Amino acid sequence: NAGVTQTPKFQVLKTGQSMTLQCAQDMNHEYMSWYRQDPGMGLRLIHYSVGAGITDQGEVPNGYNVSRSTTEDFPLRLLSAAPSQTSVYFCASSYSQGSGYTFGSGTRLTVV
Amino acid sequence: GENVEQHPSTLSVQEGDSAVIKCTYSDSASNYFPWYKQELGKGPQLIIDIRSNVGEKKDQRIAVTLNKTAKHFSLHITETQPEDSAVYFCAATAGGGTSYGKLTFGQGTILTVHP
Repeated sequence: NAGVTQTPKFQVLKTGQSMTLQCAQDMNHEYMSWYRQDPGMGLRLIHYSVGAGITDQGEVPNGYNVSRSTTEDFPLRLLSAAPSQTSVYFCASSYSQGSGYTFGSGTRLTVV
Repeated sequence: GENVEQHPSTLSVQEGDSAVIKCTYSDSASNYFPWYKQELGKGPQLIIDIRSNVGEKKDQRIAVTLNKTAKHFSLHITETQPEDSAVYFCAATAGGGTSYGKLTFGQGTILTVHP
């Protein structure tokens, strides 16, 4: 039981490049979310999903796309990276309402 | 949408003292309030949570209280130890259907416990 696995752990992108941050969980959790963490800003919700095929926007969705084709995977796509997207990204999953989210170890992204 | 305010932003205590972190929320429909601990270089870890039908919950040295009328909830850590040093986040969500995915976090409190 690996929990929530995020890859890569570190990434440097050039402005305008695209990439996909991977997130996988093996706990059969229905709920999955992506957050970004910036100094002094706490954790801000980018996109979330309440099940396969169902996604919705969070607080800061611009510049990011998601899809949920399986219960296990919830990739986050950066369409055209910008320096403002330099951040630490966390994926999280939860079994049900009120059961708490399990977070991955994060991806530290730098856009130059 | 929901807005969660957390205070203080930094908290320094001596080992053995108690620590209290407070949060307020804006959405009266919120009904689930978790607390997370984040150590350096790691993802947040759930340490305790409370639902709106409960006023207080305890787990060993950690307790959370909720005042729905005032829309605030607090984390209490007793007999603090150096390993309690970390960043603590409160969060809130309205729950129910798709709303549960929208967990809104406070800005975080850096707790330092001095030996």
